[in-house]
Amino acid sequence: AQSVTQLDSHVSVSEGTPVLLRCNYSSSYSPSLFWYVQHPNKGLQLLLKYTSAATLVKGINGFEAEFKKSETSFHLTKPSAHMSDAAEYFCVVRDNQAGTALIFGKGTTLSVSS
Amino acid sequence: DAGVTQSPTHLIKTRGQHVTLRCSPISGHKSVSWYQQVLGQGPQFIFQYYEKEERGRGNFPDRFSARQFPNYSSELNVNALLLGDSALYLCASSPGLALYQETQYFGPGTRLLVL
Repeated sequence: AQSVTQLDSHVSVSEGTPVLLRCNYSSSYSPSLFWYVQHPNKGLQLLLKYTSAATLVKGINGFEAEFKKSETSFHLTKPSAHMSDAAEYFCVVRDNQAGTALIFGKGTTLSVSS
Repeated sequence: DAGVTQSPTHLIKTRGQHVTLRCSPISGHKSVSWYQQVLGQGPQFIFQYYEKEERGRGNFPDRFSARQFPNYSSELNVNALLLGDSALYLCASSPGLALYQETQYFGPGTRLLVL
């Protein structure tokens, strides 16, 4: 069965410092993995996706994630946080053999202080 | 180009009532999926429709139903509302079945409050 575990419910960083949001996944087949961001009172926006091409995936707004099959991880990073990065982040898995449903983690709230 | 649109934006109902939520996908997209996001949780898959046929169903009771119209818009219906149905209901569209490389694009959601 597919599942996603976001290891931190809340991460706090200072503006200009690196961001690391951790995600482990479980999937019985070759998965597609995504990171979505949700700003207050707004819809979900796709940051980046891994679909079996390059293991290091670059997304929008300077975010990137690395797919590590041996560790079943897909951590999200950004070299330098900006105040506008404060939001809820969701790690998402889709087992392409099991169906089309996206399986979401519980989310990580990122706070950025000045 | 217009993104995924949902209506209404907010809704208040009482227990036992029925509700209909609407979604218009991005132009050219043939698939619509519905998700429920309870406060403080990640979204949970409810249904997927593709070419007007149900292609996937999550673990939700039969009180939840949906349909897709010839123009690919969709309705989500919930009967006999319970307090626990209070949530943000999200609609997502994709060009096809949303497998492999295909991305699902989400609308802003309908916030339902059941009193």
